[in-house]
Amino acid sequence: GAVVSQHPSRVICKSGTSVKIECRSLDFQATTMFWYRQFPKKSLMLMATSNEGSKATYEQGVEKDKFLINHASLTLSTLTVTSAHPEDSSFYICSARQELRSSYEQYFGPGTRLTVT
Amino acid sequence: AQTVTQSQPEMSVQEAETVTLSCTYDTSESDYYLFWYKQPPSRQMILVIRQEAYKQQNATENRFSVNFQKAAKSFSLKISDSQLGDAAMYFCAYRTKYGGATNKLIFGTGTLLAVQP
Repeated sequence: GAVVSQHPSRVICKSGTSVKIECRSLDFQATTMFWYRQFPKKSLMLMATSNEGSKATYEQGVEKDKFLINHASLTLSTLTVTSAHPEDSSFYICSARQELRSSYEQYFGPGTRLTVT
Repeated sequence: AQTVTQSQPEMSVQEAETVTLSCTYDTSESDYYLFWYKQPPSRQMILVIRQEAYKQQNATENRFSVNFQKAAKSFSLKISDSQLGDAAMYFCAYRTKYGGATNKLIFGTGTLLAVQP
């Protein structure tokens, strides 16, 4: 099946710094990528939807200036957490959608654990 | 707006036994997709099974099967011959068929399944 990678898998940063998370579709072109945030034992919360070459669409309540999303190519999307604070510590998951006979299969990356100290 | 409800926060099953996880949803659409995803301790989201609403036949994937009751808007997952590796968080999800590649998965709150040896 299709593979989505995320890098890094874990990151620790100091409060006030920025951190970038990469999401790559390894063996398919993803016109659409999704970024989720997940708290322990909770469901996935969609943060934003990004399409290649255009601005991301953010969900209500998600600060677009804090969570910068770039989808520069059909295989790469990045999430940058700017001026990170301890409350941004969480598990971030990306997902890439492949158009396959219009069924739009969606594949998930392994996630990135962000800890802000 | 569509919603997905999983009323069982936690479930437990003995190894080799059968367990059923419940999911109900609300929608005014007639055609859509329903999914069950598994999230083991590694946090990697894995697609377990998918059902298209216009198909009356219940989807099956080896030991996993669903009971899709469209009129009742119910989509339960049955795991037969449970194995230790089935222990995970299970999420039910809904997705409209319309709107193209950017339409979103709507997740339930999840059911944490424990498998007892």
